[in-house]
Order: sequence, then structure tokens, then C-alpha cells
Amino acid sequence: AQKITQTQPGMFVQEKEAVTLDCTYDTSDQSYGLFWYKQPSSGEMIFLIYQGSYDEQNATEGRYSLNFQKARKSANLVISASQLGDSAMYFCAMRELIYNQGGKLIFGQGTELSVKP
Amino acid sequence: GAVVSQHPSRVICKSGTSVKIECRSLDFQATTMFWYRQFPKQSLMLMATSNEGSKATYEQGVEKDKFLINHASLTLSTLTVTSAHPEDSSFYICSAVGTSGINEQFFGPGTRLTVL
Repeated sequence: AQKITQTQPGMFVQEKEAVTLDCTYDTSDQSYGLFWYKQPSSGEMIFLIYQGSYDEQNATEGRYSLNFQKARKSANLVISASQLGDSAMYFCAMRELIYNQGGKLIFGQGTELSVKP
Repeated sequence: GAVVSQHPSRVICKSGTSVKIECRSLDFQATTMFWYRQFPKQSLMLMATSNEGSKATYEQGVEKDKFLINHASLTLSTLTVTSAHPEDSSFYICSAVGTSGINEQFFGPGTRLTVL
């Protein structure tokens, strides 16, 4: 069975510094997709970044990058130059069968990030 | 990106009543929609997968007679919480997947249900 683990319930980072949010996953499938979402206090789920299991390069989207280590089954999110608006819950998620857009997402427990001024 | 709306955003009801939550994809056709439930400071728990024109697939432990899901068109799915009780109070979020080949699911803004 597939599983996503986020071991950091809460993280603090100083404004303008970089922070890494950990995510490990478990799956027996060779084809899967990994996602990171941000959820501010308003509750909306904001898509940040996606990494496919066959992608050879780490995904990047602006200040977000995904440190994908396939052999270790980890997909850590790196946020560079943290901003106060980055304070939120962050969820790592996985979908098996990479080309199955209808496949369900399995979410990790989440990490609450607080950015200090 | 694609837009998914939910209505209502907040609802307060008395115990024993039924509540319907709508999830709409506004600018794309959603072949599949998902319904999640989230308690404070916890993760999203998938309740069911809804495909247009067919019965929803419920996750283990989710009562299908309690949480009725209908996906009548490619742009609308509804979740009805029947005979709601205080323990059903939660944040309900839907998401939708289209056929454009985009990898992400598009989430609605969520519905806060409070059962008194």
C-alpha cells in the first residue's frame, strides 16, 4: 500500500532564509507522481510543484524546488528566500500510475511552517 | 489554472438535518472529482472518488448511506451529509481532474460544516 510520511509537525524559519520540508513515500509502483500543496489558514489548497517518477531532473517552480531522491524514496520541498506569506500548512502527496490523471492522491500528515520576521 | 468552486463556503445546521455541498468545475470538464474531509490541524482524508455518470467509489470506513455523492454532469458533483450529527462537523474539500493531461488536481475552496 502506498504511504506518505511527513515527520515534521512544525517548522520555524527566519524570513529570507531557505527551509527544507521533509517527505518520504512508500510504493511498490514504478510509475507515480509526487505533489506539494500549500494550505494557508483560509483552507484553500494551493498547488506548488510536481515531480514524476521518471523525471530525471528535480522540479523547480520559482522559489520552490523538489529534492527528489528516488532510491531513498524522498521528495523534500525546498523553499528559498522565505517570506512571511509562506506561513501555512504544507502537504506532500502521491498519486500512483503517473499517467492516470483520475488517480487519487494520498496525503502526508502535513508540516506547519512558521516564518519569523 | 482551472477553477473549482464549492457552495456553500460555510454552513451551520441542526443535528438530524441533511446538508448538500456542491462542487463545480467552472472552466473545464471534470471526469473525476474527489471528496476529502479534514479535521483541524490534520491531513486531508479521501472519502470517495466520483466519476461522471457512475456510482461513487467510497474509501474504507466511509458510510455511503451517510455521505451521498452524485456526479450528474461533467461540471458538478454534490455531497449530501444525511442526518448530520456533531461528529460530522468538519472541513469538506472537493477536487477535480480534467482530461487536458495536466498532472495536478484542482481543489475547491472548501466548505466548513458545523452541526449543532
